[in-house]
Amino acid sequence: SSELTQDPAVSVALGQTVRITCQGDSLSSYYASWYQQKPGQAPLLVIYGKNNRPSGIPDRFSGSSSGNTASLTITGAQAEDEADYYCNSRDSGGDLVVFGGGTKLTVL
Amino acid sequence: EVQLVESGGGLVQPGGSLRLSCAASGFTVSSNYMSWVRQAPGRGLEWVSVIYSGGSTYYADSVKGRFTTSRDNSKNTLYLQMNSLRAEDTAVYYCARGRPEVDWGQGTLVTVSS
Repeated sequence: SSELTQDPAVSVALGQTVRITCQGDSLSSYYASWYQQKPGQAPLLVIYGKNNRPSGIPDRFSGSSSGNTASLTITGAQAEDEADYYCNSRDSGGDLVVFGGGTKLTVL
Repeated sequence: EVQLVESGGGLVQPGGSLRLSCAASGFTVSSNYMSWVRQAPGRGLEWVSVIYSGGSTYYADSVKGRFTTSRDNSKNTLYLQMNSLRAEDTAVYYCARGRPEVDWGQGTLVTVSS
């Protein structure tokens, strides 16, 4: 099955821009989705498709993709953005789903 | 308003079985792509299974042959039947709606231990 690789931890200064990446072979065929998870809470979808935000997600969150790498960018990070972020996508076969290992974002 | 409520978690011995339920409201389970995703303590998210609106099911290699996803249309409820449980199945189990997974339940904890 396919794998998605994320950096375990990333930090950003308050108000600055941060990019969280996700690498995997399946990303050359399928878009990634991105989820935010805070301690004790269920995941929250923040980006899906080419660059789509569900209702209620601030526009400082954006997504992009190039080759086998997907990126989540937070422009002007806020303290409340401190969380774990996960990417997911279909696997290379198209029917299964795979999650990245997650990135812990610290806002300094 | 979409709501997903998982139940059925608990402590079970290795080799045992458990059935999780995910009661849905605000939408029709049988018309949606429904998934199970789990998270071991202190670990990341792991996709477990999906059932398509047409009824096809798919499983992660780690649970294939042991877990079965089904739904009861009359109860608008999704199920995960878990057999031959192992310690490594210990996790919070979430049900989720959609592709991508836009709505999530609060999760139910399954602990496999003797």
